[in-house]
Amino acid sequence: SQQGEEDPQALSIQEGENATMNCSYKTSINNLQWYRQNSGRGLVHLILIRSNEREKHSGRLRVTLDTSKKSSSLLITASRAADTASYFCATDAVSSGGSNYKLTFGKGTLLTVNP
Amino acid sequence: NAGVMQNPRHLVRRRGQEARLRCSPMKGHSHVYWYRQLPEEGLKFMVYLQKENIIDESGMPKERFSAEFPKEGPSILRIQQVVRGDSAAYFCASSPGYGGGDEQYFGPGTRLTVT
Repeated sequence: SQQGEEDPQALSIQEGENATMNCSYKTSINNLQWYRQNSGRGLVHLILIRSNEREKHSGRLRVTLDTSKKSSSLLITASRAADTASYFCATDAVSSGGSNYKLTFGKGTLLTVNP
Repeated sequence: NAGVMQNPRHLVRRRGQEARLRCSPMKGHSHVYWYRQLPEEGLKFMVYLQKENIIDESGMPKERFSAEFPKEGPSILRIQQVVRGDSAAYFCASSPGYGGGDEQYFGPGTRLTVT
């Protein structure tokens, strides 16, 4: 699997339900970020979690990071139709030379929230 | 505080023409990154620039592509003699300081179509 690979590829839920998306990566990281992209639009930054953090909250979002399993999850609680979008995780890998500005994105999870 | 601005939002070019994509970073941000997104794919890093300097262009194709970030004005991604395979969404991101560990804020993207 590629660095920053999201799972599932697509998720369809009803409004009010919770949505959980997962991200796995292969190399050690400094940070992991989650972004949202509405169809045909730009990316909106949701949350950044550092490698020494295990959990972070922002409004209805909850992100966890397990560096031993090289995985992260994004939970959206009480979903709304407006949450319909693609969600990407992006990692900046630890590398020699300090080039950890390169974000590596997966293909994303397409979340559909039905009203 | 305006976000990252990109123009044009949509660009249509015939094979062999040149494409110029512009990016104005967020106010106070001196670091600019360009990413390319092919259909159904995640974003792929292309180049990282600071004012008047290319820091890392390891993701840029060796031929036909160039990028600059002059002392004054926006960052420019230039694609010469475009081919159909260049059709993609090109996103610019900016960050305030050294890229490592910073959140990168993305613009709305330029969608390039080569006919």
